[in-house]
Amino acid sequence: EAQVTQNPRYLITVTGKKLTVTCSQNMNHEYMSWYRQDPGLGLRQIYYSMNVEVTDKGDVPEGYKVSRKEKRNFPLILESPSPNQTSLYFCASSTSGRSEQYFGPGTRLTVT
Amino acid sequence: AQSVTQLGSHVSVSEGALVLLRCNYSSSVPPYLFWYVQYPNQGLQLLLKYTSAATLVKGINGFEAEFKKSETSFHLTKPSAHMSDAAEYFCAVRMAGTASKLTFGTGTRLQVTL
Repeated sequence: EAQVTQNPRYLITVTGKKLTVTCSQNMNHEYMSWYRQDPGLGLRQIYYSMNVEVTDKGDVPEGYKVSRKEKRNFPLILESPSPNQTSLYFCASSTSGRSEQYFGPGTRLTVT
Repeated sequence: AQSVTQLGSHVSVSEGALVLLRCNYSSSVPPYLFWYVQYPNQGLQLLLKYTSAATLVKGINGFEAEFKKSETSFHLTKPSAHMSDAAEYFCAVRMAGTASKLTFGTGTRLQVTL
């Protein structure tokens, strides 16, 4: 089954404790993105990647890192999480810039 | 910069009534436009997309949207609402030539009542 998977689905952590949210797709897509969803703000793009080793900042990259060492994986790293990063995070992938994005199920992160 | 405006954060309709969810974009050139739906506790699912072909686009679950360049709009409609349509709907825009730069509206939560 073609899908985008994220782990973990739920995470509660404390300020400053480094964490990684994994994202994997099995559709051989070149493009992958990370978004955060906050009430009243919709989805905002954090980072995106056009291919292996090619990443770029989205609209809200501060406090986040990403890497793309393999085509299928695009982890999101929070080196020192803060409470304002409490949010619902979505990973997405697509074949090209013209095509629709396929979304993962989301990761709900709470930073206390 | 591209932007998307969704008028109405909450819309309530009766079952069987017309659904109209509004989306306006700002762009000097025709973009690619998308409508996504998010059911409770789920990710986003594509409803339909406009990529410069036909201006009236039909999607899944009976939804359709019409691209109107003169009004810079891409409103989503469904002739008859069903209880299962209750969800949050997002309009999104991608400018031609901007790979992976997808800008979302703030979303409209659709409530369907008996």
